Amino acid sequence: EPEVTQTPSHQVTQMGQEVILRCVPISNHLYFYWYRQILGQKVEFLVSFYNNEISEKSEIFDDQFSVERPDGSNFTLKIRSTKLEDSAMYFCASSEYRGQIGGYTFGSGTRLTVV
Amino acid sequence: GESVGLHLPTLSVQEGDNSIINCAYSNSASDYFIWYKQESGKGPQFIIDIRSNMDKRQGQRVTVLLNKTVKHLSLQIAATQPGDSAVYFCAPWGGGYNKLIFGAGTRLAVHP
Repeated sequence: EPEVTQTPSHQVTQMGQEVILRCVPISNHLYFYWYRQILGQKVEFLVSFYNNEISEKSEIFDDQFSVERPDGSNFTLKIRSTKLEDSAMYFCASSEYRGQIGGYTFGSGTRLTVV
Repeated sequence: GESVGLHLPTLSVQEGDNSIINCAYSNSASDYFIWYKQESGKGPQFIIDIRSNMDKRQGQRVTVLLNKTVKHLSLQIAATQPGDSAVYFCAPWGGGYNKLIFGAGTRLAVHP
């Protein structure tokens, strides 16, 4: 069964440093998403991406965040200057269609720890 | 330091019993509803979905019921197994929202 792959599984970084979280969506999917989950809290939407541009973003997704699809397979989330409160699990997801029945396929996540 | 987390409603069941997890939603214009399961340390995993023009849908060991009158849906798991232990979310789709919005979820704890 096709999977969404995320790397690394765990990233530790110092406050103020830049991090790039990587995702390889399912190959024939066209819509890509990032969500995050702070420990013990619910999964929160960050951003959706289609046709090489952001479709929608949440209030969380401020100027410190950016997304990119640098080639035909990778989808990245960059945090320019990490803060302690950025510590969370970050989930990438993809879907073939925007309103796809069955929803999105999620990756296993990257645990980001900012120290 | 102390961590403050979301207090999830928890459903505790014995292995082999049936489980019913409930979800209330607010957007009456949602086109369909999806149930996800999240095991500890993993991403949400699709379980089953239901269109807004249906009131029941069955899968393998799972049944989803939708009551649009009271904006409520439920997930029934038959013969609950230890592997069913997870947090369960319902996520409405559509009705003006082009993204999945997750609620807080319900924790299902299955005891042998």
